[in-house]
Amino acid sequence: GENVEQHPSTLSVQEGDSAVIKCTYSDSASNYFPWYKQELGKRPQLIIDIRSNVGEKKDQRIAVTLNKTAKHFSLHITETQPEDSAVYFCAAPRSPYNQGGKLIFGQGTELSVKP
Amino acid sequence: GAGVSQSPSNKVTEKGKDVELRCDPISGHTALYWYRQSLGQGLEFLIYFQGNSAPDKSGLPSDRFSAERTGGSVSTLTIQRTQQEDSAVYLCASIGGGSGGVGELFFGEGSRLTVL
Repeated sequence: GENVEQHPSTLSVQEGDSAVIKCTYSDSASNYFPWYKQELGKRPQLIIDIRSNVGEKKDQRIAVTLNKTAKHFSLHITETQPEDSAVYFCAAPRSPYNQGGKLIFGQGTELSVKP
Repeated sequence: GAGVSQSPSNKVTEKGKDVELRCDPISGHTALYWYRQSLGQGLEFLIYFQGNSAPDKSGLPSDRFSAERTGGSVSTLTIQRTQQEDSAVYLCASIGGGSGGVGELFFGEGSRLTVL
């Protein structure tokens, strides 16, 4: 089955700086990689996802890159703001042949943006 | 409803007791998932329902855990003879049927279970 590793576990940046979170996966057939943001005491919410037919996807200050050869994908947040402070989870399908909602999540990265 | 609704939001129980956690998915969503989030950990898949198909129970950690979904809508997760290691936040999520089960998981606020 799939295995997902996420680094770093904690990340502290100054407001306005960029933040990068990296994840690796084990199954080369995996084809869908979402990122979820979970604010303290709140539910996880999808912020961006990427499918294996593209190498990069952007949405305003957030971007995700995918390297299928190396089997890793990264979340990039530019011009960070205090409201970006949260725990971020990467994920991949438990099996590439199963539904996309059955996911293996990384352990999470707690991002702190200092004003 | 407007979102995924879960109850209770908090449950404290004694070791050995049974508990039931309820999930009401977004209206019209055919795919429903249960996840578990232990303190400071990622989300762990438990079980998946899709329409009237047999559920995928491959993530359930032991036979003390079971779930059902009645009428293709509301789901109940039951934990029998609770143990302290069952303490966690249990999250329910659904995906719209039109997406073929692939896409954004809409999570509920979760049920926080504490086993004393």
